[in-house]
This record gives sequence, C-alpha cells and structure tokens, in this order.
Amino acid sequence: AQSVSQHNHHVILSEAASLELGCNYSYGGTVNLFWYVQYPGQHLQLLLKYFSGDPLVKGIKGFEAEFIKSKFSFNLRKPSVQWSDTAEYFCAVNRLSGGYNKLIFGAGTRLAVHP
Amino acid sequence: DTEVTQTPKHLVMGMTNKKSLKCEQHMGHRAMYWYKQKAKKPPELMFVYSYEKLSINESVPSRFSPECPNSSLLNLHLHALQPEDSALYLCASSSPRGTWGTRPSSYEQYFGPGTRLTVT
Repeated sequence: AQSVSQHNHHVILSEAASLELGCNYSYGGTVNLFWYVQYPGQHLQLLLKYFSGDPLVKGIKGFEAEFIKSKFSFNLRKPSVQWSDTAEYFCAVNRLSGGYNKLIFGAGTRLAVHP
Repeated sequence: DTEVTQTPKHLVMGMTNKKSLKCEQHMGHRAMYWYKQKAKKPPELMFVYSYEKLSINESVPSRFSPECPNSSLLNLHLHALQPEDSALYLCASSSPRGTWGTRPSSYEQYFGPGTRLTVT
C-alpha cells in the first residue's frame, strides 16, 4: 500500500537554527509531492510542490525541498528558522487516477521554535 | 481568489441531531474533497467529488452523507453521529485535470479552514 513516512514527529529548535524534515514515500509510479503547513489554529497551507523538472523546489517563507527519486525522498529544509515557523508540517503524495487526485499525508512533524 | 470557505466554523450537536456542513469555492475547480482530521493527526480522506459526481468514498459510515449540488458547493450531511466523530472536518478543492482546453498548471489541493465538530 502506498504510504508516506515522516521520520520526526517532534522537532524543537532555537531561532536561526537550520531545519531539515524527512519524508519518504512508497510508490513507484509517477507522483506529485507536497509539503503543507498548519499553523496553530489555522488551516492547511501549501508550502511547496514538486511535479517534474528541477528536483530542488523553492516554496514560500524561505522553505525548499529536494526530490531524490532514487531514495523516494522529499525532505524539507530551511536554513534559518524563526519563531513564526512553529507549526505542524505534513508531507503528502498525490496519485492521479481517473478524474481526480488523491492525497496521502504523512503523520506530520510538530515543529517548535524557541526564541 | 484561491479561497475555500467553510461554514460553520464550530458546530456542537447531539447524537440524534441532523446538521450539515457547507463548503464553497469559486476557483473553477471541478474536484472537491472532504477530509476528517483528529487532533495531532493528518487529514484523512473521506470523499472525493469529480465533476459533481462522487468518485471516492473511503468506506465512510452512512451517517455521513455528502452532496455536491453544483461545481462550487459541497455539503456534508450529518445524522446520528457518535462522540468519536468529533473532529475537524476539512474541505478542499483542486483542478482534476485542469480547466477546459488548457494544460493543467497544478494539482494541489486548496484547503478551507475547517469546521470543528463536537458530538455530545
């Protein structure tokens, strides 16, 4: 069965530290990959996405992610986190099937950034 | 306009009540989704509508009844719910294959803020 694994459930960092959140998926076909963020009390927002082309994708708020096909990975990075990055981060894989797409989410990583 | 709106924001209902959740988007998307999200968990897909037709039902109990009256609206009718159904219910929309005659630019799903449902 297709699955998405996020290795870190809880991450605690100080401001200005670098961030890397791991994401691996288990599907061999064509996939679209996403990172969503959910700030406390807010709705899911798209951080970045990968469909094809350059495997290094840049998103909003200084985030980037690298798609490594051979490792089935799509890790999220940010060189210097801010307190406002405190949120839940979800990796998701999209399968195209028929006239719809189906998103499968990882379990999420809760990031806490301390001033 | 990349907004998906959901009403109400909060809903408290008894197990014998009948209520409905509403979702609306005006992005011209032809695929709409209902998700359920429990606390500290990822969203779980419930239903997918594509071109106003139910495409996926992820084995959701019949006490949840979706409806897509038109391409902009999605409802979730609730009846005889259980306390364990308390959760955040999220609506999302996307372009299933792109708009008519154009190459699809993206397939990401746009999420609404959700309805926080409490069943007492």
